[in-house]
Amino acid sequence: AQTVTQSQPEMSVQEAETVTLSCTYDTSENNYYLFWYKQPPSRQMILVIRQEAYKQQNATENRFSVNFQKAAKSFSLKISDSQLGDTAMYFCAFMKQGDFNKFYFGSGTKLNVKP
Amino acid sequence: KAGVTQTPRYLIKTRGQQVTLSCSPISGHRSVSWYQQTPGQGLQFLFEYFSETQRNKGNFPGRFSGRQFSNSRSEMNVSTLELGDSALYLCASSPWSQGRGNEQFFGPGTRLTVL
Repeated sequence: AQTVTQSQPEMSVQEAETVTLSCTYDTSENNYYLFWYKQPPSRQMILVIRQEAYKQQNATENRFSVNFQKAAKSFSLKISDSQLGDTAMYFCAFMKQGDFNKFYFGSGTKLNVKP
Repeated sequence: KAGVTQTPRYLIKTRGQQVTLSCSPISGHRSVSWYQQTPGQGLQFLFEYFSETQRNKGNFPGRFSGRQFSNSRSEMNVSTLELGDSALYLCASSPWSQGRGNEQFFGPGTRLTVL
């Protein structure tokens, strides 16, 4: 079975600063996908960033980037130039290849961006 | 394009009753997944449907069931409700048929309260 661990239940960051959210996972699979999803208060979950395990290059999406360490089974999210709109729950998720959209989610990190 | 819609948004039931939740995916999406979100257990995968066929199932009792119609709309049913079934039920859709870890688009959820 796959497990995803987010060890930081809550974090705070000042606007315009950089913050890193941690995620580790446990799997015996070699081919899989990793995701960060954002769930703003009372709003829908949206995809932040996605990483394919076979790609060594870390994914980036504007202010969001990941540090993917396959051997260490670590997948952290870095948010640069934090904005008030980044305040949300962030979930790390894992899906093994061929598993038809079955995501394993971490427990989430609540990020508060302070003005 | 309209996003994933879920109805109803809020529901209050009593123990022993049954409930049906509905999900309309984004137009053109044929895969629909369901998740249960609770403070204690986090986000847990229930099942996934593609072209009216259940392709994947999580570890939930048989009281939880689902189906998908030819227009890709999906319903999930919970029979003999228990207090522990109180949760936010999320539906997600995806246009892809292969298990290649593509983005899932989430709906706003149905908040079920069991009294």
